[in-house]
Amino acid sequence: DAGVIQSPRHEVTEMGQEVTLRCKPISGHNSLFWYRQTMMRGLELLIYFNNNVPIDDSGMPEDRFSAKMPNASFSTLKIQPSEPRDSAVYFCASGPRDRGTGELFFGEGSRLTVL
Amino acid sequence: GQQVMQIPQYQHVQEGEDFTTYCNSSTTLSNIQWYKQRPGGHPVFLIQLVKSGEVKKQKRLTFQFGEAKKNSSLHITATQTTDVGTYFCAGQAYSGAGSYQLTFGKGTKLSVIP
Repeated sequence: DAGVIQSPRHEVTEMGQEVTLRCKPISGHNSLFWYRQTMMRGLELLIYFNNNVPIDDSGMPEDRFSAKMPNASFSTLKIQPSEPRDSAVYFCASGPRDRGTGELFFGEGSRLTVL
Repeated sequence: GQQVMQIPQYQHVQEGEDFTTYCNSSTTLSNIQWYKQRPGGHPVFLIQLVKSGEVKKQKRLTFQFGEAKKNSSLHITATQTTDVGTYFCAGQAYSGAGSYQLTFGKGTKLSVIP
């Protein structure tokens, strides 16, 4: 199995630009999670989907962030407009079980730098 | 909301010494998971504990889940340089509407001096 695939691995952009991060979960997994990792705040859950439906988006910082999962094999996290404080590593993770239970398999992350 | 505290934040040990990291939840958990993240890498699942008082071992790693299902520990015996990384606990609890929330601790960063 290829594991969770994220792209891009690195993104450097200027403040105000739109950023789109992409994730392909492990085939057959029912849950998909977006996390943000920074030194100060650690790993923060942004949003999670169960069977392609957003279940908990309480961690999404503000309206500038949006996430979609149009089908079982693809999800996007969009930031528009981006700000320097959005600089972080964004991880996508998928899980084989429903309702957010069970272990998570993380992708390698997308390192975002907003200048 | 649910909070998971993990201590210490950093630990430097001489190779061969033991290492322990502790995790405490503000709420009773349905299970606790442990992950390891190597420098520059991504979190990798190590183990899940479900039962009160459960103890599990993986070679030199021993994981415990407290009787009240609110705390946990990871102990590494005779550390090796390959143990370097950040160890995260993650507590899973029912969050309502039929779903569960997994909350990560801030992690313990382990450095091993050869």
